[in-house]
Parts: sequence; structure tokens; C-alpha cells
Amino acid sequence: QQQVKQSPQSLIVQKGGISIINCAYENTAFDYFPWYQQFPGKGPALLIAIRPDVSEKKEGRFTISFNKSAKQFSLHIMDSQPGDSATYFCAGGTSYDKVIFGPGTSLSVIP
Amino acid sequence: DAGVIQSPRHEVTEMGQEVTLRCKPISGHDYLFWYRQTMMRGLELLIYFNNNVPIDDSGMPEDRFSAKMPNASFSTLKIQPSEPRDSAVYFCASSLSGAPAEQYFGPGTRLTVT
Repeated sequence: QQQVKQSPQSLIVQKGGISIINCAYENTAFDYFPWYQQFPGKGPALLIAIRPDVSEKKEGRFTISFNKSAKQFSLHIMDSQPGDSATYFCAGGTSYDKVIFGPGTSLSVIP
Repeated sequence: DAGVIQSPRHEVTEMGQEVTLRCKPISGHDYLFWYRQTMMRGLELLIYFNNNVPIDDSGMPEDRFSAKMPNASFSTLKIQPSEPRDSAVYFCASSLSGAPAEQYFGPGTRLTVT
């Protein structure tokens, strides 16, 4: 009920390409879906987030697509750059409880 | 503004010793979370506090682990006695009331138990 699934585990994309990471959740009480970005040796940092009342949110090159009926959401990184190489975590949470993180996706953007 | 502060940044200790990790959350934040990260198990929530009160400690591995939050600006995670399998990066994170999922993470403490 609490699990957040994430795929792929690792991803290699060429510079300028589109990176896509998919997540699925089970808990229908979740009303907030953040994505975190973690660089080696650093703590995770909030990247972008969406609430289930919208189907898409875009911030610069980063877009979240949300499908409430399928209980799925995804992160798209347009024009991927080597500086985007990091581990990405999707998560689900509510306004009153802990957040549940997915297992993470290691993204490598090669020149 | 200062972010979440953790100390020490690195800790190397011998099996059986007591280890204390420290965290100062962002001022005004009501939630404080302790996580452990390893390659094998990913990011695990150990315990979290709301207004200095422990809310959920179901992720604490065993009785060797304990956490306290004596006031709004300080928390500790203690391991006694430490074991090699406790080697990991431990993160502290904080967030505002009403938005516990918008967490701000500290830089982490890399713990090595030999």
C-alpha cells in the first residue's frame, strides 16, 4: 500500500536527448508527488513536484506527467546535459505524514 | 539562510563503540527526518519527529539505534554498540508543517564502522 515503484534503475542518455523516468504508486491518499535529485556526495534536493489535480507541470527542461487513474507519474528531462547526471528519486506523500521514496534511478548523460 | 547542518561529516569508529550523529534543522521547520542510505537498501527512513515528538520510528533497525529531539533546533541519532553493517551515509532532513514531503536534506554523515 505504501510502496513507490521506479524504473529504470539506471539510464544512459546522449547529450541533447530526452531522459524519461517512470514511477507508480499504490497509496491513493498521496496528494503530493515530488522528485528529488542527488549528486554524488550530496544530500537529495527537491527538484520539482506535482499535485494530482493537474496532469503536467513544467519547470525549464524538467516536466512531470501525471496519470491519476493509472496511479503513475514520470519525469522528462528535455535536452539532457552532462550536468544532469545524478540519481533521481520519485516520491509520494501527503500534507500530514512522511514521504515514501522510490528506489532511485541513476542517470548518466554522455557527451 | 543556513540549510540543514549535520555533524560530523565523516565518522570512522571501531565495532562496539558508541556513535552520535547530530543535526540542526532549518529554523522554523516542524518536521525532522533521519534517513540511512546504502547501495544495497537505498534511502531508508529511520524515524521522524513533528514538533520535537517522535511520530514514527518503525524504520529504526533495532534497539541499538535511538534518536532524540530535545528542542526544535537539535536532534541526535545514536548507535550503541555500533556494528560494521551500520556503515552508511546518514541524512537528516527537515520540512515545514503542512508540507512534510518538501524536505530539505543536510549534507549527510558518512559512517564507517570497522
